[in-house]
Amino acid sequence: SQTIHQWPATLVQPVGSPLSLECTVEGTSNPNLYWYRQAAGRGLQLLFYSVGIGQISSEVPQNLSASRPQDRQFILSSKKLLLSDSGFYLCAWSDYTGSGEQYFGPGTRLTVT
Amino acid sequence: TQLLEQSPQFLSIQEGENLTVYCNSSSVFSSLQWYRQEPGEGPVLLVTVVTGGEVKKLKRLTFQFGDARKDSSLHITAAQPGDTGLYLCAGGWWGQNFVFGPGTRLSVLP
Repeated sequence: SQTIHQWPATLVQPVGSPLSLECTVEGTSNPNLYWYRQAAGRGLQLLFYSVGIGQISSEVPQNLSASRPQDRQFILSSKKLLLSDSGFYLCAWSDYTGSGEQYFGPGTRLTVT
Repeated sequence: TQLLEQSPQFLSIQEGENLTVYCNSSSVFSSLQWYRQEPGEGPVLLVTVVTGGEVKKLKRLTFQFGDARKDSSLHITAAQPGDTGLYLCAGGWWGQNFVFGPGTRLSVLP
């Protein structure tokens, strides 16, 4: 069966510090991968998606970036965090058929102070 | 740009009551998904509907896709405190990114 991992679960970082969030998927090959941000009690904002190694598409211009160094690894990064980067970050995968069904990780709660 | 609206935004009911929440768009979708998210966790996929007029049942939950494939409803019978959470719908086309609605936050009081 497929499993998706995210870490860390929670993170408190000062403004201006760097960020690296990691997501890995097990039990599937060539998945589509996604990074979302969710404000408190709200819907999901798609940040980045990837259909393959090294292929990243950005949905929202910002100071965040994403990379996919391996087939089942997706990384969200920032060189300098802003207060507005606080939120709940979710990684998700879907199969390559494009069915739309997405499977989410447990999320990372990021607080920028 | 495809946009999904969900109503109501918030719903608080007593255990045992029935409820219906809605997901609407002006766009036609090839499929639509419903997810439930509990606080501090990732959303969990409940169902996918693909055919106009389709009805799917998952225990006490009944999902319907509109005939024109632009809207969907989720009906819960005899709600329980365990049904509490944020219900999200997502729609799109095969091979394209799916758009999420803002969600309906349901609270079922014992």
